[in-house]
This record gives sequence, C-alpha cells and structure tokens, in this order.
Amino acid sequence: DSGVTQTPKHLITATGQRVTLRCSPRSGDLSVYWYQQSLDQGLQFLIQYYNGEERAKGNILERFSAQQFPDLHSELNLSSLELGDSALYFCASSTSDRGRAGELFFGEGSRLTVL
Amino acid sequence: ILNVEQSPQSLHVQEGDSTNFTCSFPSSNFYALHWYRWETAKSPEALFVMTLNGDEKKKGRISATLNTKEGYSYLYIKGSQPEDSATYLCAQRNTGNQFYFGTGTSLTVIP
Repeated sequence: DSGVTQTPKHLITATGQRVTLRCSPRSGDLSVYWYQQSLDQGLQFLIQYYNGEERAKGNILERFSAQQFPDLHSELNLSSLELGDSALYFCASSTSDRGRAGELFFGEGSRLTVL
Repeated sequence: ILNVEQSPQSLHVQEGDSTNFTCSFPSSNFYALHWYRWETAKSPEALFVMTLNGDEKKKGRISATLNTKEGYSYLYIKGSQPEDSATYLCAQRNTGNQFYFGTGTSLTVIP
C-alpha cells in the first residue's frame, strides 16, 4: 500500500460527458502528479501541483483541468470526453518539490472507459 | 518534453539467467533518474533514485548504474526469478521537477 488513494477505481461513461478523478496523497506529501497511460503508451505526464499551486504542465489537453485543495487532495477534471480519453489515470505523490530527489508513490489508478 | 527511451521493449529469460535493460535520456536539465517496478494489476513502485554521475545502487539481486554525461542508465537483475516478472520503468526528473517516463521493459522470467 503506497498510501496514495485514488477514486473511483473504474469509471464508464459516454462521449461528451465530464468526469472527476480524485487523489489523496500520502500523508505529508505536498506534491501531486497526474499521469495518463493509454493502450501501448507509457506514462504520459499531465500536470503537477505543489502545496496547492500548479508547478508543471505536460501533455494535458485543454479539455482537462486539475487542482489541488488546501487539504492537499487533488482532482483531475476531464470534460467533453472522447473515445481516445479511455485510459488508466495515475496519481502520484512525492515529499519533495525541489532540492530532494524524492521518489514517486503511485496510487492504484482510475480506469476510465469512454463509450 | 523529454524523450526517455528504454530497450528492449520486452524480454523473456529463463529462471536463473542474469539480464539487463537500458534507459537513455537527454542529459540537459537532468536532476535525477528513477527506476520503478510495475507488476500487473498493481501500481509502480520505486526501486532506485540516482542523482550523481557514476552512481550505483543495489537492492538484493537488482542493481542500477547511472551515466549522466552520456545519458544512460542500466538496470541489472542477477539470477532472475519468476517473481521478477514485471515491467521496469525509468523516469528522468528534470530541474523543472517534471518526471518523464520511458515506455518500460516488460520482463518475463520463465520457470
């Protein structure tokens, strides 16, 4: 158990809909990262938050947004869903922002299926 | 966006064989190199974090080396066991605190 909690574990929805994925980081971790893993693709970095502030952006579509709340949990919002958005979405947390080469602790992922 | 590449994409070895995989990454803006082990139906778990050129880390039968000047890292598994079967991911953390992952090497150890 990594200590990172993601909900829901599975989600099936239709094209055009909007979903929210939730992540609770490990206790004490201030950094939260979101990754997307599609079929035959590696982990694609989407976005990172540190202590409530956006720190870095990767391949995140404009239809997607995220935020980190004062209690450090994070939500990834996916809207106007398309079939190609079907993927496993991972959240990971880390103790560090800069200055320490901290490892990432991953949640179990949220599997999104868009029909 | 960094291109972190891993080879081979997949590997089948016999139990008891030793094996190694490669991770190559751009040297610019390098901060750290991470290796993760990802078993089916589970989430990735960290194996090693390396930061300095020449770093070598070891955990049991698994070890890793780092060459930041030429931009590669090797992961070695000595005497592979069936429980070593997993996908091994490497990731470069850059000075902007972004982690970029390779697509992984899928290892199958045949009993």
